[in-house]
Amino acid sequence: NAGVMQNPRHLVRRRGQEARLRCSPMKGHSHVYWYRQLPEEGLKFMVYLQKENIIDESGMPKERFSAEFPKEGPSILRIQQVVRGDSAAYFCASSPGGSGSYEQYFGPGTRLTVT
Amino acid sequence: AQSVSQHNHHVILSEAASLELGCNYSYGGTVNLFWYVQYPGQHLQLLLKYFSGDPLVKGIKGFEAEFIKSKFSFNLRKPSVQWSDTAEYFCAVTKGGGADGLTFGKGTHLIIQP
Repeated sequence: NAGVMQNPRHLVRRRGQEARLRCSPMKGHSHVYWYRQLPEEGLKFMVYLQKENIIDESGMPKERFSAEFPKEGPSILRIQQVVRGDSAAYFCASSPGGSGSYEQYFGPGTRLTVT
Repeated sequence: AQSVSQHNHHVILSEAASLELGCNYSYGGTVNLFWYVQYPGQHLQLLLKYFSGDPLVKGIKGFEAEFIKSKFSFNLRKPSVQWSDTAEYFCAVTKGGGADGLTFGKGTHLIIQP
């Protein structure tokens, strides 16, 4: 059973470009979470999605950031017009959902560098 | 909103020493508590979790943690560490009864000297 997959593992973008980060949850998992880890800081929750629905986006910056989890295919975290401050590691996690199934399983992360 | 404090940012121990990493959270309601570990070059892995029941929780690789509700604490322990325990350790919490995003502490960088 493959774990959570993220790609690309490393992404370099120039200021003003768009970054698209992809996350494929574990098989059978319907809940996806995105986290950001800035240098010298812990992981910060960004957004929680279920298939075709955003459940909680309280941690998402108000501008330039968006996320989706379509019926088919991976979840996408999209950052428009990237700035140097967006350089960070972005982690995706998935969980089975359902009562009592609160464990989140993490992917390897995407390291975004904005030049 | 809940928050998590990990008091030790860097810990250096010798092999066979005992380990205790502190974790305190601030939230007055029911919580789910977790410890994750990130070995060098690897992704986050779940060490152990507390949802309800026995407050002493045993996890993988000989780790355990004790939930003390009155102290809002969930400290991680291991009686005898090994060089392979060198890693970053994160305490995390979610509100009980839901599938919310995790609130993480800033992590503790543990170095075990052979």
